[in-house]
Amino acid sequence: DVKVTQSSRYLVKRTGEKVFLECVQDMDHENMFWYRQDPGLGLRLIYFSYDVKMKEKGDIPEGYSVSREKKERFSLILESASTNQTSMYLCASTRGGRRVSGANVLTFGAGSRLTVL
Amino acid sequence: ELKVEQNPLFLSMQEGKNYTIYCNYSTTSDRLYWYRQDPGKSLESLFVLLSNGAVKQEGRLMASLDTKARLSTLHITAAVHDLSATYFCAVGRRYNNDMRFGAGTRLTVKP
Repeated sequence: DVKVTQSSRYLVKRTGEKVFLECVQDMDHENMFWYRQDPGLGLRLIYFSYDVKMKEKGDIPEGYSVSREKKERFSLILESASTNQTSMYLCASTRGGRRVSGANVLTFGAGSRLTVL
Repeated sequence: ELKVEQNPLFLSMQEGKNYTIYCNYSTTSDRLYWYRQDPGKSLESLFVLLSNGAVKQEGRLMASLDTKARLSTLHITAAVHDLSATYFCAVGRRYNNDMRFGAGTRLTVKP
């Protein structure tokens, strides 16, 4: 019954490494999101995508990029990991497209906990 | 810029007591959500509120929305230990699909 799958539950990387976090959803959702979760800060939006090859910056895009080549897959890329990117990363998806109205509840993956040494 | 403020950030309650969590947001929105996160788990949707005056209830939790005050509340009635979790509110900008979250309220219900 898993609907949003994040490829890695736990990762440990070294400073400067390139990191890929993968997310796949099987609900045919148009919208996909990447958040990072830190204690006391809640969830902060990094990037989101409302269609294949489309992306928009969230509140904290610096140091991150994303890729959406297929509707079901949304990847988060850390080009050169730094220690301040140690965090829990959450992927989510929802129906809708670029402009929506009405309820569009996010379905979250289990999260990827990244530690950068 | 849409900002979401939640308070309190930490809440320790005795079983059987009532309490309210508050969620204020800064700009016009047409969607307000409440999510629950258990330790080590991901977020699960509790409520979606779409209009001024909307009220949703499930079990001991009741959520309401006042769009004029840009305020939502999550009221806990006669708390039980199973309600211990972190609760997040989230706000969607009107006509857009991105969503902003509050910092979360970590609720601990003690016997």
